[in-house]
Amino acid sequence: AQKITQTQPGMFVQEKEAVTLDCTYDTSDPSYGLFWYKQPSSGEMIFLIYQGSYDQQNATEGRYSLNFQKARKSANLVISASQLGDSAMYFCAMSLYGKLTFGQGTILTVHP
Amino acid sequence: DADVTQTPRNRITKTGKRIMLECSQTKGHDRMYWYRQDPGLGLRLIYYSFDVKDINKGEISDGYSVSRQAQAKFSLSLESAIPNQTALYFCATSDLGSGQGNKETQYFGPGTRLLVL
Repeated sequence: AQKITQTQPGMFVQEKEAVTLDCTYDTSDPSYGLFWYKQPSSGEMIFLIYQGSYDQQNATEGRYSLNFQKARKSANLVISASQLGDSAMYFCAMSLYGKLTFGQGTILTVHP
Repeated sequence: DADVTQTPRNRITKTGKRIMLECSQTKGHDRMYWYRQDPGLGLRLIYYSFDVKDINKGEISDGYSVSRQAQAKFSLSLESAIPNQTALYFCATSDLGSGQGNKETQYFGPGTRLLVL
């Protein structure tokens, strides 16, 4: 069965610094997608970035990049130049056959 | 206007009551989903529908039922609410991705906070 693991319940980072949020996954299927979502305190789920299992290059979206290491089954999110508005819960998720499985999330706090 | 809307946004109900949560979307997506979020557990899939005539159980469907009234509408019902169904409920939509890699980005509604007393 597929599984997503986020081992960092909480992370702290100084404003303007970079931070990496960890995510590992487990599946035997060769075709899958990996997503990161942001959930601010207001509660909505915001799509950040996607990586396909066959993609050769790491995905990037503005200040977000996904460090995809297929052999290690990891899909870490890197946020560069952290901003106070980045403080939120972050979820890693894996897509198989159109269904998402989510990790437990990491709370990121950005300090001024 | 929001692409995915959920009503109500907040609901308090009593044990044993039947309630319905509604989801509408203007994104034109065929696929719709219902999730619940409990503190510390992430989101878990309740039901999903890949088109109007397709309904499938997710990870935690017991105690819930759904109705896909149209491409744009997907409702979740709690037939007899119980306190452990207190949670944040999300509706999501996606379109069939092209190519490999399961790129079917799901877009979420704002959520419904449900409290069952």
